[in-house]
Amino acid sequence: GIQVEQSPPDLILQEGANSTLRCNFSDSVNNLQWFHQNPWGQLINLFYIPSGTKQNGRLSATTVATERYSLLYISSSQTTDSGVYFCAVVTNDYKLSFGAGTTVTVRA
Amino acid sequence: KAGVTQTPRYLIKTRGQQVTLSCSPISGHRSVSWYQQTPGQGLQFLFEYFSETQRNKGNFPGRFSGRQFSNSRSEMNVSTLELGDSALYLCASSLGPDRGYFGPGTRLTVL
Repeated sequence: GIQVEQSPPDLILQEGANSTLRCNFSDSVNNLQWFHQNPWGQLINLFYIPSGTKQNGRLSATTVATERYSLLYISSSQTTDSGVYFCAVVTNDYKLSFGAGTTVTVRA
Repeated sequence: KAGVTQTPRYLIKTRGQQVTLSCSPISGHRSVSWYQQTPGQGLQFLFEYFSETQRNKGNFPGRFSGRQFSNSRSEMNVSTLELGDSALYLCASSLGPDRGYFGPGTRLTVL
């Protein structure tokens, strides 16, 4: 099956800092999504981004499908940004294949 | 519009028992997927249903089963529970290619 790799596995930031999370995938995909998992376990849908660039407040994402990677940018980080960020891809089989996640800790 | 709901939110069972989890999708969504999350294996796909038909199934033993009803609500069942089945079970619904509408999850503990 498709391989989804996220880097870095852990990230510690000072409040106000910017950061970039990366997601590499091993095959062509129909869809790529970014999620933030809150402390209670719920997956919050950040972006549906099979290609191109999208922005939502302090977060933005870029997917370069031809080169099989996606980037999630967090600007002016806040403590509420802490948590685990997952990217997930969909091929032709209706399922999301998740990466292992990046654990982000933002310190005040 | 109400989000995806899952019941129960927490469940404690003992080995050998069976359990049924329920998922109600967003109104109008006809696809429902289930995922298992554990610290060791991460997020893994269980199965996906569309209009009461299972379209895809992940690599889980036959003890894991599911179904979808005509109103798109879905249930998953785990029989003969094992300690390793302790996990967060997440349900997602979708209408189109955006598959990011997840419920709050059911946290299952097997003792």
